[in-house]
Amino acid sequence: GENVEQHPSTLSVQEGDSAVIKCTYSDSASNYFPWYKQELGKGPQLIIDIRSNVGEKKDQRIAVTLNKTAKHFSLHITETQPEDSAVYFCAGGGNKLVFGAGTILRVKS
Amino acid sequence: DGGITQSPKYLFRKEGQNVTLSCEQNLNHDAMYWYRQDPGQGLRLIYYSQIVNDFQKGDIAEGYSVSREKKESFPLTVTSAQKNPTAFYLCASSLQGQNTEAFFGQGTRLTVV
Repeated sequence: GENVEQHPSTLSVQEGDSAVIKCTYSDSASNYFPWYKQELGKGPQLIIDIRSNVGEKKDQRIAVTLNKTAKHFSLHITETQPEDSAVYFCAGGGNKLVFGAGTILRVKS
Repeated sequence: DGGITQSPKYLFRKEGQNVTLSCEQNLNHDAMYWYRQDPGQGLRLIYYSQIVNDFQKGDIAEGYSVSREKKESFPLTVTSAQKNPTAFYLCASSLQGQNTEAFFGQGTRLTVV
């Protein structure tokens, strides 16, 4: 089955800097890669997703890149703000999603 | 408002008791899922259902049971056979089973004492 690994487990950045979170996956048949943001005590919310026929997708300050050959995908957040502080999860799969272990992002003001 | 609702938000039970967590959605989604979240770990799939009256085991189904009698509802029972039931439980739904956004509820934090 699919296995998704996520790095780093924690990330601290200064407000205004960029943050990058990376994930690798094992199943070459996986074709859907969403990213979720989870705030304390709440359920995860989708922030961006990418499908395997696309290499990059951008939505304002957030972008995701996918390298199918290397089986890795990354989340890029530019101009970070304190409200970006949360836990971020990547996921991959086809019939069912497998989630990474999560990254705690802290944006220091 | 459309959405997915989990209740209760906090739940306390004595060891050895079964407990049922509620999950209701009014998004007209076919697929529903239950995940368990522990500190430092990702979301692990317990059970999922892609259609009414049908469900499949996920990666950590032992000690749990579900039913899907209605499209809107997917309750999860944590049985006394679950060895370490204290966790944060998340329910999700999606329009289809594949390659579509999953919408999550706010979660239920279960503490077994």
